[in-house]
Amino acid sequence: DAGVIQSPRHEVTEMGQEVTLRCKPISGHDYLFWYRQTMMRGLELLIYFNNNVPIDDSGMPEDRFSAKMPNASFSTLKIQPSEPRDSAVYFCASRVVDEQFFGPGTRLTVL
Amino acid sequence: SQQGEEDPQALSIQEGENATMNCSYKTSINNLQWYRQNSGRGLVHLILIRSNEREKHSGRLRVTLDTSKKSSSLLITASRAADTASYFCLPTLGAGSYQLTFGKGTKLSVIP
Repeated sequence: DAGVIQSPRHEVTEMGQEVTLRCKPISGHDYLFWYRQTMMRGLELLIYFNNNVPIDDSGMPEDRFSAKMPNASFSTLKIQPSEPRDSAVYFCASRVVDEQFFGPGTRLTVL
Repeated sequence: SQQGEEDPQALSIQEGENATMNCSYKTSINNLQWYRQNSGRGLVHLILIRSNEREKHSGRLRVTLDTSKKSSSLLITASRAADTASYFCLPTLGAGSYQLTFGKGTKLSVIP
């Protein structure tokens, strides 16, 4: 198994642009999580899905952020419009039972 | 939301020494997990201890859980430079009541 796959690994964009981050969870995992990590705020849970259904999006910072999971093998996190304070590493993780498996992350830089 | 609070925030030791990190949480849990994050990488699961367990071992790792004190500790014995990383605990509630998040972690530096 290739593990959790995220793309792109690095993204540099300008303020105001739309950014889409992608995640492919491990096959058979029924939970998918999106996290954001910064030096200031640490690792924050943004949203998670169970069987493709969003369960808790209370961590999504504002309406500029949206996440979808159209099927069991794909999820997106979209930021529109992006701002410099969105610069962070975004991790996707999937889970079966209790253990979470993390992807390598997408390092987002908004200029 | 439920999260663990790791202590200390940073720890620096010599190679070969033991490293102990602590985690405290606030509510009843189903289990507690420890994760490691190497710089610039995603978190990697290390070990899980269930609420009815008091101690668990995995290689050089030893985890304890005291549900009465709502605390856990992670001991790494005979540390190596490769153990340099941040360590996070994740208290997990029962199924159907997930509000999972991580604390700020303990940053461990093992000096060769």
